[in-house]
Amino acid sequence: DAGVIQSPRHEVTEMGQEVTLRCKPISGHDYLFWYRQTMMRGLELLIYFNNNVPIDDSGMPEDRFSAKMPNASFSTLKIQPSEPRDSAVYFCASSKGTGGADTQYFGPGTRLTVL
Amino acid sequence: GQNIDQPTEMTATEGAIVQINCTYQTSGFNGLFWYQQHAGEAPTFLSYNVLDGLEEKGRFSSFLSRSKGYSYLLLKELQMKDSASYLCAVRYSSASKIIFGSGTRLSIRP
Repeated sequence: DAGVIQSPRHEVTEMGQEVTLRCKPISGHDYLFWYRQTMMRGLELLIYFNNNVPIDDSGMPEDRFSAKMPNASFSTLKIQPSEPRDSAVYFCASSKGTGGADTQYFGPGTRLTVL
Repeated sequence: GQNIDQPTEMTATEGAIVQINCTYQTSGFNGLFWYQQHAGEAPTFLSYNVLDGLEEKGRFSSFLSRSKGYSYLLLKELQMKDSASYLCAVRYSSASKIIFGSGTRLSIRP
């Protein structure tokens, strides 16, 4: 079975450019999570969706960040305009549910560098 | 708050045993996870505890005390491949999300 798929794996861009990160969750999983990981702040939840609907976006740093989930098999995280402080590894994760031992399965991540 | 505290770094010897501790805010607690993350890779699920006691899974065990807001991950017969970061994460009852600690970077020496 395919796991969570993310693209691109690496992205290098210049400050001010738009960046779009993509995620395909595991088929049948109803929840999708976007995380950001840095050395300073660890793994932070940005936003999560349930059945394609955004449930909690309180972790989104500012208006430059937006996320969509147009269907059950695809989600995007967009940064416009990008800034050097956005440099991080962005993970997408999915889970069947959020109760009990429902665990989140992480994608390989996108390493973003903003120059 | 929902502070999750774990040591930043630990070092242990191949073949030995190491215990990684995690403390968390108890209010609203609804389950605790341990994840392993090798450098440059994604976190992968190790264990889940929601009731007090020890859960054993091969060389890895995880313990929970809900009243103390305390958990530990025990790794036995350490191997070089166990060098990784170990993340403690807590689910609180009012949310579907889990909150991650900053992780403990474990280094194994020969």
